[in-house]
Amino acid sequence: EVQLVESGGDLVQPGGSLRLSCAASGFTFSNYAMSWVRQAPGKGLEWVSIVSSSGGTTKYADSVRGRFTISRDNSKNTLFLQMNSLRAEDTALYFCARLGGTTSFVLPFDIWGQGTVVTVSS
Amino acid sequence: EIVMTQSPATLSVSPGERATLSCRASQSVNSNLAWYQQNPGQTPRLLIYGASTRATGIPARFSGSGSGTEFTLTIGGLQSEDFAVYYCQQYNSWPRTFGQGTKLEI
Repeated sequence: EVQLVESGGDLVQPGGSLRLSCAASGFTFSNYAMSWVRQAPGKGLEWVSIVSSSGGTTKYADSVRGRFTISRDNSKNTLFLQMNSLRAEDTALYFCARLGGTTSFVLPFDIWGQGTVVTVSS
Repeated sequence: EIVMTQSPATLSVSPGERATLSCRASQSVNSNLAWYQQNPGQTPRLLIYGASTRATGIPARFSGSGSGTEFTLTIGGLQSEDFAVYYCQQYNSWPRTFGQGTKLEI
């Protein structure tokens, strides 16, 4: 079964840091680009970041560029999101999502995890 | 940034009827448009990609159309499990952007 399981969400103070993980199983992780998408409480979906299958290419939303870093460990089938200088507006459910193919970034997200909750508050 | 605008925000339909949801892009996204369904407390599920291609396992009552800036998701013969929030998303340009969602309610 294809599966993504996020972890690492927590309550953190403004200005703090957190590292999210997403463990992948049931597919060849190293073949797929992976992304993070977040959803603030009661709000819609917001794309955060993406990393290529090799890890060599990354992109970020303006709202997190310079504060968040996406990375992956293909030997451990795991995706990461290092979140620094956290703000109240980063409070959200963070999903990891697989890009629906192996040949391009021009693809939708076909597999989603259940998400991990990040709360930024003093 | 391409802004995706969905309408209506809420759509009230009876089971068995047809629902039509709209999504407009602020500039052309070609056919690089996806639709997702999200039930309360659940993860988003890919329904449609390439504006009109159903994802694996998606019932034929879901259909998508459009290209450029105007897109439509049509759900025929609504069933109880279809009452959810639907999002469109463009994957033509960076940053990837989603619409604000349409809540389909009974």
